[in-house]
Amino acid sequence: GNSVTQMEGPVTLSEEAFLTINCTYTATGYPSLFWYVQYPGEGLQLLLKATKADDKGSNKGFEATYRKETTSFHLEKGSVQVSDSAVYFCALGGGSNDYKLSFGAGTTVTVRA
Amino acid sequence: GAGVSQSPRYKVAKRGQDVALRCDPISGHVSLFWYQQALGQGPEFLTYFQNEAQLDKSGLPSDRFFAERPEGSVSTLKIQRTQQEDSAVYLCASVQPWSSGGQETQYFGPGTRLLVL
Repeated sequence: GNSVTQMEGPVTLSEEAFLTINCTYTATGYPSLFWYVQYPGEGLQLLLKATKADDKGSNKGFEATYRKETTSFHLEKGSVQVSDSAVYFCALGGGSNDYKLSFGAGTTVTVRA
Repeated sequence: GAGVSQSPRYKVAKRGQDVALRCDPISGHVSLFWYQQALGQGPEFLTYFQNEAQLDKSGLPSDRFFAERPEGSVSTLKIQRTQQEDSAVYLCASVQPWSSGGQETQYFGPGTRLLVL
């Protein structure tokens, strides 16, 4: 079945540092890939998505590229801000499971001023 | 409303008590999902509705868990005889009608945090 393996945290960075969170997946068929973010005290929000191989999703300075050859969807941001402190979840959906999302365990990111 | 809403936001139950968690999806969204998120973990799929039909309940952990969506809009997740291991955040998500190709974005509510004592 579908599964997602996500880099363990917590990750602590200084403002303006480079952030990368690794995500790899196992799936049958052709899933879509997502990054969701959960800010403190808030619900899950979609950060970005990619629906096919070599697609790049981007939003709020974050980027991730759907790499079928390495089954990866790593999240990157070139210069983080304190407001990026949150829990980040990698997820996949579709493929052989046409509807449900499979999530990674989440990575807690703390950015210090 | 503009987004998915859930109520109550917090629920404390004594072990053995029944609870009911409500989800109001985005108006017009056909598909609705329930997920369970244990502390420090990612959400895990529980069940899925398309309109009023429950098409998949394979993620429900036991027969104490029951979900319904009788009119194809509001959904209720009921947990009977709650146990301590049921303590988690219960998330609801809704999706627009499927379009051709690709996985549609699920929009999540704020969740209900259930604590069973």
